[in-house]
Amino acid sequence: EVQLLESGGGLVQPGGSLRLSCAVSGFTFSTYAMSWVRQAPGKGLEWVSGLSASGGSTSYADSVKGRFTISRDNSKNTLFLQMNSLRVEDTAVYYCAKGRTTVTLGGQGTLVTVSS
Amino acid sequence: NFMLTQPHSVSGSPGKAVNISCTRSSGSIASTYVQWFQQRPGSAPTTVIYDDNQRPSGVPDRFSGSIDSSSNSASLTISGLKTEDEADYYCQSSDSRVIFGGGTRLTVL
Repeated sequence: EVQLLESGGGLVQPGGSLRLSCAVSGFTFSTYAMSWVRQAPGKGLEWVSGLSASGGSTSYADSVKGRFTISRDNSKNTLFLQMNSLRVEDTAVYYCAKGRTTVTLGGQGTLVTVSS
Repeated sequence: NFMLTQPHSVSGSPGKAVNISCTRSSGSIASTYVQWFQQRPGSAPTTVIYDDNQRPSGVPDRFSGSIDSSSNSASLTISGLKTEDEADYYCQSSDSRVIFGGGTRLTVL
């Protein structure tokens, strides 16, 4: 069974930084591309970023390009999202997802609140 | 990039069937797989259909997915509606990036 456990969210001021983590189990992490998806309060799902299985290829939504960095540690079955220069509009629940085209969601997400 | 358009809301009565559409704005709906996610109030989204018409284990066979090339759309059909089916439903596909539909609120009256 695929298990995705996100952590690292919290309250941060505009311009601040956070690093999200996603601990993965239930599948061979190192052979799958991964993604981050977010959901602002009362809004729909929005893709944020994707990463190849090796970590060598990344992609970002225009809204976060240049501010967020996705990475992974295949030895620790963990996906990361480094978020810098945070904006109020980045406030959302962040979910990690298995896959980069067909995505599987299943974690509870981690809430990021950007506010002064 | 293309867009996926869903109706804002649909409704149905217990025991009946409903259909939720997801129309692709450009390119063929059949060119990449479509997934469907269910999000109950206050909960995280979970997959109910993947790869156009496949159900994950644990999802009842009341849920089915299909694609229609003539209308360039995908559909999620829920038969034998139950009150527990009341939720938001999102379709998802991809080109170079993941694309979600705007979501459909299902009300079971």
